[in-house]
Amino acid sequence: TQLLEQSPQFLSIQEGENLTVYCNSSSVFSSLQWYRQEPGEGPVLLVTVVTGGEVKKLKRLTFQFGDARKDSSLHITAAQPGDTGLYLCAGDAGNTPLVFGKGTRLSVIA
Amino acid sequence: DVKVTQSSRYLVKRTGEKVFLECVQDMDHENMFWYRQDPGLGLRLIYFSYDVKMKEKGDIPEGYSVSREKKERFSLILESASTNQTSMYLCASTGQQNTGELFFGEGSRLTVL
Repeated sequence: TQLLEQSPQFLSIQEGENLTVYCNSSSVFSSLQWYRQEPGEGPVLLVTVVTGGEVKKLKRLTFQFGDARKDSSLHITAAQPGDTGLYLCAGDAGNTPLVFGKGTRLSVIA
Repeated sequence: DVKVTQSSRYLVKRTGEKVFLECVQDMDHENMFWYRQDPGLGLRLIYFSYDVKMKEKGDIPEGYSVSREKKERFSLILESASTNQTSMYLCASTGQQNTGELFFGEGSRLTVL
């Protein structure tokens, strides 16, 4: 079974701080997706990274796929209270449904 | 606007009751999924379906069954609810088998007393 380990599990920071969330595996993934889930809602896709070493930016969010396609990171610059939520990574392992990490719960305090 | 709709946001049932959770998508997707979400355990896949009348077991199918009679509808059934099935249940669909963006419903929070 392929696993995705996310760290940290919980993160509480002040508005304006920077943070990085990690998603690691010993397995290679064809692509990796990042979702954000706000309280009372289902997860919503933020980005998909496909190529090893790829970097994608979404406003203050920067996503990177590791060169070996085994890991990914999400960096948020100048976090805002609206960034609060559960961040989930999900990997495409081939002929199986997406493999999800357990998530990082982020709380940004004003 | 694409949408996955789950029939009930909140349910309270008693142990032993039969529970139906309905999910409907309006995107003509072939692929539909049922997950349960518990604190510290993340999203765990219960069942999925790649086509009408088709179903596949996920990682935790025990105590659950599903029905896919129409392309747009995927139902999760708890034949005899137990307290350890208290959870948030999420339905999702995608147009690309295994790899595409998953569109999730808002979730159904089930409490079994």
